[in-house]
Amino acid sequence: GENVEQHPSTLSVQEGDSAVIKCTYSDSASNYFPWYKQELGKRPQLIIDIRSNVGEKKDQRIAVTLNKTAKHFSLHITETQPEDSAVYFCAASIQATGGSYIPTFGRGTSLIVHP
Amino acid sequence: NAGVTQTPKFRILKIGQSMTLQCTQDMNHNYMYWYRQDPGMGLKLIYYSVGAGITDKGEVPNGYNVSRSTTEDFPLRLELAAPSQTSVYFCASSYVTGTGRQETQYFGPGTRLLVL
Repeated sequence: GENVEQHPSTLSVQEGDSAVIKCTYSDSASNYFPWYKQELGKRPQLIIDIRSNVGEKKDQRIAVTLNKTAKHFSLHITETQPEDSAVYFCAASIQATGGSYIPTFGRGTSLIVHP
Repeated sequence: NAGVTQTPKFRILKIGQSMTLQCTQDMNHNYMYWYRQDPGMGLKLIYYSVGAGITDKGEVPNGYNVSRSTTEDFPLRLELAAPSQTSVYFCASSYVTGTGRQETQYFGPGTRLLVL
């Protein structure tokens, strides 16, 4: 099955700095890569996603890049703000045996933005 | 749209008791999922369903059962609760097209379960 590694597990930055979170995946057939933000005590919510036919996608201060050859994808947050503090999860989705599409999640990165 | 709803929000169980976690979505999504999240850990898939009447095991199915009799509802049953099942449980749903295009996965608010 798919295996997703996420680094770092904790990331501490000053307000205004950039933050980068990296994920690697094992199965080259993975074709959908979402990123979720989970605030303390809340549910995970999608913040951005990218598909295997695209190399980069941007939405205001958030961007995601995908390198299919190296099988890694990254989340970039620019001009970080204290409200960006949360746990971020990456996921890679593949068509499993039987034809179902199931995402595999990384273990999460706790981002702390210091004012 | 209410999205994905879950009940209860919090529950304490004694070892050996059973309970059902309820999950409902009103977005006409075909896929539904149950995850558990332990402190400081990621999301582990317990069971999933690709449509009414079809369910399959995820990564950690032992001690749980599911059913999907309608598109909207996907209850998770815990039989003979054990302390190892203390966790936060999230239900989620998404739409996957016939050509395999996966759309956004939406999560419910979670159920916090404590087994003592």
